[in-house]
Amino acid sequence: EVQLLESGGGLVQPGGSLRLSCATSEFTFSNYGMNWVRQAPGKGLEWVSAISGSGSGTYYADSVKGRFIVSRDNSKNALFLQMNSLRGEDTAVYYCAQERVAGGVGNYFENWGQGILVTVSS
Amino acid sequence: EIVMTQSPATLSVSPGERATLSCRASHNVNSNLAWYQQKPGQAPRLLIYTASTRATGIPARFSGNGSGTEFTLTISSLQSEDFAVYYCQQYNSWPLTFGGGTKVEIK
Repeated sequence: EVQLLESGGGLVQPGGSLRLSCATSEFTFSNYGMNWVRQAPGKGLEWVSAISGSGSGTYYADSVKGRFIVSRDNSKNALFLQMNSLRGEDTAVYYCAQERVAGGVGNYFENWGQGILVTVSS
Repeated sequence: EIVMTQSPATLSVSPGERATLSCRASHNVNSNLAWYQQKPGQAPRLLIYTASTRATGIPARFSGNGSGTEFTLTISSLQSEDFAVYYCQQYNSWPLTFGGGTKVEIK
């Protein structure tokens, strides 16, 4: 069974930084594009970022472009999201999500982590 | 950016009844449309992709239809476990975008 487990969330002040990690197992990690999707408290889903299986392609929502950096370590089966210049509106549960189709990026997501809460507040 | 609009925001349905949820795209997304179900405190669950293909393990009472800009998700006979929030998502172009969701509640 595919496992995705986020970590690294918590409380951070506005303007601060945080790095999220997503540990994965039970699939060939390097074959799949990966994504970050967030959900503000009581709100809907917002796609944040995607990265191709090789890591050569990265994509961002306009709301985070220039502040967030997505990366991956295929030797460790891990996905990361470096979040800088954090704002109150970045407060959300952040999910990592696996593309359903091997070899692609920017599609739909079959497997999701349980989510990790990031709170930006002074 | 393609804006996805879901309606209604809330749908009140009795168990055993049929529910029809709508999703409209601001631009043509072809059949690059997925549906997800989310229950409180849980991650979303993929139901439908390419507008009408059920994901692995999804019961046949869930069906998707549409192409271009107009899509529907139908639940033929609501079960107690189907009361949840449903989201559509387009993956025709960057950025990927979700609709605002439809909450299906017990009438």
